[in-house]
Amino acid sequence: AQKITQTQPGMFVQEKEAVTLDCTYDTSDQSYGLFWYKQPSSGEMIFLIYQGSYDEQNATEGRYSLNFQKARKSANLVISASQLGDSAMYFCAMREGPPYGNNRLAFGKGNQVVVIP
Amino acid sequence: DGGITQSPKYLFRKEGQNVTLSCEQNLNHDAMYWYRQDPGQGLRLIYYSQIVNDFQKGDIAEGYSVSREKKESFPLTVTSAQKNPTAFYLCASSIVSYPGGAVNTEAFFGQGTRLTVV
Repeated sequence: AQKITQTQPGMFVQEKEAVTLDCTYDTSDQSYGLFWYKQPSSGEMIFLIYQGSYDEQNATEGRYSLNFQKARKSANLVISASQLGDSAMYFCAMREGPPYGNNRLAFGKGNQVVVIP
Repeated sequence: DGGITQSPKYLFRKEGQNVTLSCEQNLNHDAMYWYRQDPGQGLRLIYYSQIVNDFQKGDIAEGYSVSREKKESFPLTVTSAQKNPTAFYLCASSIVSYPGGAVNTEAFFGQGTRLTVV
């Protein structure tokens, strides 16, 4: 079964607008971690933001914030004030279990974002 | 600068050949990983290692082999047994956390190797 689901089609976003990328996950573990990565056309994966399952506050990193709804098992990424350089694939990933000695990640299929001027 | 270096960037393999993809890191990370990415897909874990001289199979290990003789290096061999090796391969590394330690153990990735069978 798919552990991470990202089903949005490719998105076009106007520069300076906000965009929300959906991610739902499936796990029976109480302790887990959720990550978002950006993959530009060059191919490298760039870490954006992390949310732990026990974190009470939604994570924020600059223009990135994570809308964590634990009961719904969703971890949506919000990018505020989009820039042309935000055009990329965005991947949601999950580590099941506590972080101690376990860093295996399960990835979703990604969301394509194109920022237009 | 600290980081992960993968080489080569592009690799062409003839059918029936084994090829080895290089991955070196100078981040002093204990854990290293190999992922495979197919077009329009997410990453799938091939192998991972959390300590020198030890490694575990991931979700799609068949047709691949690895070694971890040094902390800095985690080469991946794509063997002739891998029936569909054409893909983008990404190497990553991370710290290994212990109770009381960091909880955000994000993986740092290399630039990737694009392997094509000709």
